[in-house]
Amino acid sequence: DGGITQSPKYLFRKEGQNVTLSCEQNLNHDAMYWYRQDPGQGLRLIYYSHIVNDFQKGDIAEGYSVSREKKESFPLTVTSAQKNPTAFYLCASSMGQGSEQYFGPGTRLTVT
Amino acid sequence: GDSVTQMEGPVTLSEEAFLTINCTYTATGYPSLFWYVQYPGEGLQLLLKATKADDKGSNKGFEATYRKETTSFHLEKGSVQVSDSAVYFCALSDRTGGYSTLTFGKGTMLLVSP
Repeated sequence: DGGITQSPKYLFRKEGQNVTLSCEQNLNHDAMYWYRQDPGQGLRLIYYSHIVNDFQKGDIAEGYSVSREKKESFPLTVTSAQKNPTAFYLCASSMGQGSEQYFGPGTRLTVT
Repeated sequence: GDSVTQMEGPVTLSEEAFLTINCTYTATGYPSLFWYVQYPGEGLQLLLKATKADDKGSNKGFEATYRKETTSFHLEKGSVQVSDSAVYFCALSDRTGGYSTLTFGKGTMLLVSP
């Protein structure tokens, strides 16, 4: 089955540690996206990539980093510089400009 | 910049009631419009979309019409079921420097009781 996978579903880390969230898609989509979801705030765009080896900052990129070495993969690193990392993180992909995005199941990150 | 405004929830209805969730937007150009649904603990699923003015998107009994004159994309369903309980997000897709991204509303929680 084609789709987007995110792992793990739940992730716990100590403050000051970097952590990498996985996102893989087998839909052959060119574009991939990372969002952060907090209660009552909807989704906010962290980073996006429309082609391999290229990515752009979204609205809340500070404290995050990404890479796009393969079309299928778009990992997100939450660094120790992110002041409030505890959140639900969603990865998405799309065919291209103007088309709908398809979402993975999400990773809930808790940092204590 | 682009923005999407949705009615605040929760919206509480009895089974078989009529549903309307309001959504209005501001955008430059001619965006595509979407409704997504999110069940507890899951990612978002595309519910329906419309790509130009007067288009009607529909799926699973839900409908929404792209109204350019009122910059709205209200979600409707004639008879809701308990299984429709979820959070609904309105979103628009516009281009920024040649790329397209989605701008989301804050979501509206729907609770349907038997």
